[in-house]
Amino acid sequence: AQKVTQAQTEISVVEKEDVTLDCVYETRDTTYYLFWYKQPPSGELVFLIRRNSFDEQNEISGRYSWNFQKSTSSFNFTITASQVVDSAVYFCALSEEETSGSRLTFGEGTQLTVNP
Amino acid sequence: EAQVTQNPRYLITVTGKKLTVTCSQNMNHEYMSWYRQDPGLGLRQIYYSMNVEVTDKGDVPEGYKVSRKEKRNFPLILESPSPNQTSLYFCASSFSAGANEKLFFGSGTQLSVL
Repeated sequence: AQKVTQAQTEISVVEKEDVTLDCVYETRDTTYYLFWYKQPPSGELVFLIRRNSFDEQNEISGRYSWNFQKSTSSFNFTITASQVVDSAVYFCALSEEETSGSRLTFGEGTQLTVNP
Repeated sequence: EAQVTQNPRYLITVTGKKLTVTCSQNMNHEYMSWYRQDPGLGLRQIYYSMNVEVTDKGDVPEGYKVSRKEKRNFPLILESPSPNQTSLYFCASSFSAGANEKLFFGSGTQLSVL
């Protein structure tokens, strides 16, 4: 069965520090998709990125970057030069082509606090 | 504006009093689902619907019911709420049921069952 683990429950940094949020997943499917969502204090879930299992290229979007490594079953998320507005809960999630369709299996979430 | 609308935003009720949380999307999405979010557990799927009149259980369906009579609406029904159903609930939709589909989430409903 699929599983997503975010071992870091809470992270606290000072503004302008770089921070990496870890995500490790388990799946038996060869075709799967990995997602990151952000949940700011207002509570809504904001889509950040989607990667498929055949594309291991790292991706950068502004201060955000993602490192996908199939060899270690990890999909880590790095925020460079963090800002107070980055404070949120971040969720990593997995969907499988064969077994789950659009159903997302979420990790436990990492609460990131960026202090001024 | 494309969106998923949930109501109410906050709800406090008592054990055993039936309640319904509404969900509506305006994107003509085929796939809709309900999740609950609990501390330390992330989000877990309750029920999902592939299309009108097609629904199925997710990972934690006990104590919940759903219906999909119209494409845009997917209400979540708690026939006899219990305190262990106190949680933050999210409705989500996507264009289809594909694994690569991005889910659009509602703003959430914080439910407290006393």
